Amino acid sequence: QLQLQESGPGLVKPSETLSLTCTVSGGSIRSNSFYWGWIRQPPGKGLEWIGSLYYSGSTFYNPSLKSRVTISVDTSKNHFSLRLNSVTASDTAVFYCARLTYSGGWYPDYWGQGRLVTVSS
Amino acid sequence: QSALTQAPSASGTPGQRITISCSGSSSNIGSNAVNWYQQLPGTAPKLLIHSNNQRPSGVPDRFSGSKSGTSASLAISGLQSADEADYHCAAWDDSLNGVVFGGGTKLTVL
Repeated sequence: QLQLQESGPGLVKPSETLSLTCTVSGGSIRSNSFYWGWIRQPPGKGLEWIGSLYYSGSTFYNPSLKSRVTISVDTSKNHFSLRLNSVTASDTAVFYCARLTYSGGWYPDYWGQGRLVTVSS
Repeated sequence: QSALTQAPSASGTPGQRITISCSGSSSNIGSNAVNWYQQLPGTAPKLLIHSNNQRPSGVPDRFSGSKSGTSASLAISGLQSADEADYHCAAWDDSLNGVVFGGGTKLTVL
């Protein structure tokens, strides 16, 4: 059974960089059938797609975050990572990593449990 | 402001059938399949319906989905207290080259 697990600091200071890693188990990230992505959910609000990555390294980012986001992959460790720089309090959210599969469009089918990241001094 | 529009809340009584709607545009629902997620309190979203009307293994047939034009609906029949959750619609957006979500509908079982 595929599992995804987010890890990283739960508290980040304003103006600093948020860094999270998603470790994939029960399957290989080097699959040509899937994308891998990050999604966030501010407290009490809806879901927002951050960006997606293919194992080869090609990426797609949400235009609203593109200037601050980097998503990268380490196939040797079967994990991918998120970096969001210059964070503010409005970046406080639960961050989910997910696998995206295709059927009439790409969509997340497997999700990690989520990692709450609070931006505060 | 979410790209897909959902009513913020819905309610029903045990045994009732309810529907949750999701409205989008030609670049997302109009040209791609719709997917639905159930999010129980304090947990990650779980895939409930994919490809407009397909249920993943293990999802009861009380849950069904449909799509018409740039709108979609999730129906839940035989409502149970365990169905109390947030329900999110999602679709790929060809203009964004990414996934767009609705704001979520909080379902209360009275």
